[in-house]
Amino acid sequence: AQKVTQAQTEISVVEKEDVTLDCVYETRDTTYYLFWYKQPPSGELVFLIRRNSFDEQNEISGRYSWNFQKSTSSFNFTITASQVVDSAVYFCALSEALGSAGTASKLTFGTGTRLQVTL
Amino acid sequence: GAVVSQHPSWVICKSGTSVKIECRSLDFQATTMFWYRQFPKQSLMLMATSNEGSKATYEQGVEKDKFLINHASLTLSTLTVTSAHPEDSSFYICSAQRGRTDTQYFGPGTRLTVL
Repeated sequence: AQKVTQAQTEISVVEKEDVTLDCVYETRDTTYYLFWYKQPPSGELVFLIRRNSFDEQNEISGRYSWNFQKSTSSFNFTITASQVVDSAVYFCALSEALGSAGTASKLTFGTGTRLQVTL
Repeated sequence: GAVVSQHPSWVICKSGTSVKIECRSLDFQATTMFWYRQFPKQSLMLMATSNEGSKATYEQGVEKDKFLINHASLTLSTLTVTSAHPEDSSFYICSAQRGRTDTQYFGPGTRLTVL
């Protein structure tokens, strides 16, 4: 069974601080995908990144960066120089490459980390 | 882009009535759509997976007769909450996926309140 753990329930930082959101996953699959989604107060889930299990290269996109470490089953997300607009709940998610019988793969979500950025 | 819309964004209804929520992929064809439910300050719980032209696959514990899902086209799926009760009040979110291993793109959600 797949599992995603986001141990940090809530994090509060002051604007311009860097913050790292942790994500640890469990899966028996050798091929899988990892995701991060942002859910602002409006409720819509915004896709941030998708990572293939065979690609351990870290990625940077503006103030966002992701550190994928297969050896520790972690896929951590860092926001550099945080801003108030970064305040949201962030979900890490995992999906297998394909569901059983070739069906669509399902997402397993972590419980989310609520990030509060204050002035 | 990959834009998914939901309608309505919020709905208030009386206990015993049925409510229909639409999920549309606006700029792509979605072979699969998913329906989730989210309670306040909790994670998303997958309710069902629907493929165009076939019956939805429900997760364990989700009543298929209560939550009717229809995926009539590659761009539209509907969730009907039948005979809604206050405990059905929740945030319902759909997602759409082009291919079976593609990224899921989420709609803005529908907040259902049953009085």
